[in-house]
Amino acid sequence: AQRVTQPEKLLSVFKGAPVELKCNYSYSGSPELFWYVQYSRQRLQLLLRHISRESIKGFTADLNKGETSFHLKKPFAQEEDSAMYYCALSGRLGDSGGSNYKLTFGKGTLLTVNP
Amino acid sequence: GAGVSQSPSNKVTEKGKDVELRCDPISGHTALYWYRQSLGQGLEFLIYFQGNSAPDKSGLPSDRFSAERTGGSVSTLTIQRTQQEDSAVYLCASSLVVVAGELFFGEGSRLTVL
Repeated sequence: AQRVTQPEKLLSVFKGAPVELKCNYSYSGSPELFWYVQYSRQRLQLLLRHISRESIKGFTADLNKGETSFHLKKPFAQEEDSAMYYCALSGRLGDSGGSNYKLTFGKGTLLTVNP
Repeated sequence: GAGVSQSPSNKVTEKGKDVELRCDPISGHTALYWYRQSLGQGLEFLIYFQGNSAPDKSGLPSDRFSAERTGGSVSTLTIQRTQQEDSAVYLCASSLVVVAGELFFGEGSRLTVL
């Protein structure tokens, strides 16, 4: 079974402070991990995926298979980063017995960056 | 050329009535998903369509929920005999299945059951 846990429902930081949104997962195969973001009054959109190892809007996330974590980090938060963030997992295409197309989402963390 | 389109954007109905929610995916996307977004519950998977394969209905919460996809394009999610607990935002997404995990979401249909 696939499970994604985001332990913080709410996270509040000040502008310029570092921010880390936590994500832990459970999956028996080789997971693909993603972060999605939903800004106020906008649609949910992909922020980044672990396989591309990219930095988007200053955010990075490293897959730690030992700790089964995929925390999202940014060294200096900006007010425009305020949004709802969802961690998501899918099985790798070709995994046997896995749901390799279905994204399982965490319950989300609402990030507020205060001025 | 637009993104995923959903209608209606808002729907208020009375308990016991049936509702239909529509999703028009991005042209060329063969995979289509329905999710339900509720406060405190995050995104709950409902159903997945891929080409001509049998849909994955494993997330539908009860037999009052059904969905179909006609001609490999437009999809309709139907909720029969609505209950207050069905109140939520219903999100549709589409994707190129070969790019696992990259879903393009619509703006959602907000359903309120009185």
